[in-house]
Amino acid sequence: DTGVSQDPRHKITKRGQNVTFRCDPISEHNRLYWYRQTLGQGPEFLTYFQNEAQLEKSRLLSDRFSAERPKGSFSTLEIQRTEQGDSAMYLCASSQSGGIAGNTIYFGEGSWLTVV
Amino acid sequence: DAKTTQPNSMESNEEEPVHLPCNHSTISGTDYIHWYRQLPSQGPEYVIHGLTSNVNNRMASLAIAEDRKSSTLILHRATLRDAAVYYCILTRAGNNDMRFGAGTRLTVKP
Repeated sequence: DTGVSQDPRHKITKRGQNVTFRCDPISEHNRLYWYRQTLGQGPEFLTYFQNEAQLEKSRLLSDRFSAERPKGSFSTLEIQRTEQGDSAMYLCASSQSGGIAGNTIYFGEGSWLTVV
Repeated sequence: DAKTTQPNSMESNEEEPVHLPCNHSTISGTDYIHWYRQLPSQGPEYVIHGLTSNVNNRMASLAIAEDRKSSTLILHRATLRDAAVYYCILTRAGNNDMRFGAGTRLTVKP
């Protein structure tokens, strides 16, 4: 399968612990996005990369959140000192260059985080 | 950014056509109209997109009003596998975040 893959698919962690999610985009895509989705809501934009450069961050991305894409391929999203409010599905997506207008973004199946 | 308005939920019978409406009265001339859907426990999946003309693909058809202030996603024969949340989204050149609303939850009855 050559789609967007995310790991782990599910993570249960205790409040205060750090967690890291990994995303492998579609290989020829140079744009990579992170979204967060809570139950009953649509996905909310967190950040995006063009190659290895993080070009935009939502105000939802607090200082406990950090995302990296060191070689312009896979990306990681780390949440430090997790809180119960961080419980959500974290979605990764990728697209070819040229922006989202008129282009297709391909999503992974998401990483579910439960903070207890 | 222009916003979209969709019904919270709709029901359809299996093998019947489904018309999912979306209002976007503040759309600008360069905004594209995208539709994605999200099946339970999965990430969103691209369905179709268009700018001004109606569009058809293997999954669905997109009918865009002449004034572009509304559009309709048409599933020609709904199946049980089409039960999902359908999102209507506008995208604009220069913006890099695809903004999802709450979407329309489609239930397909056998």
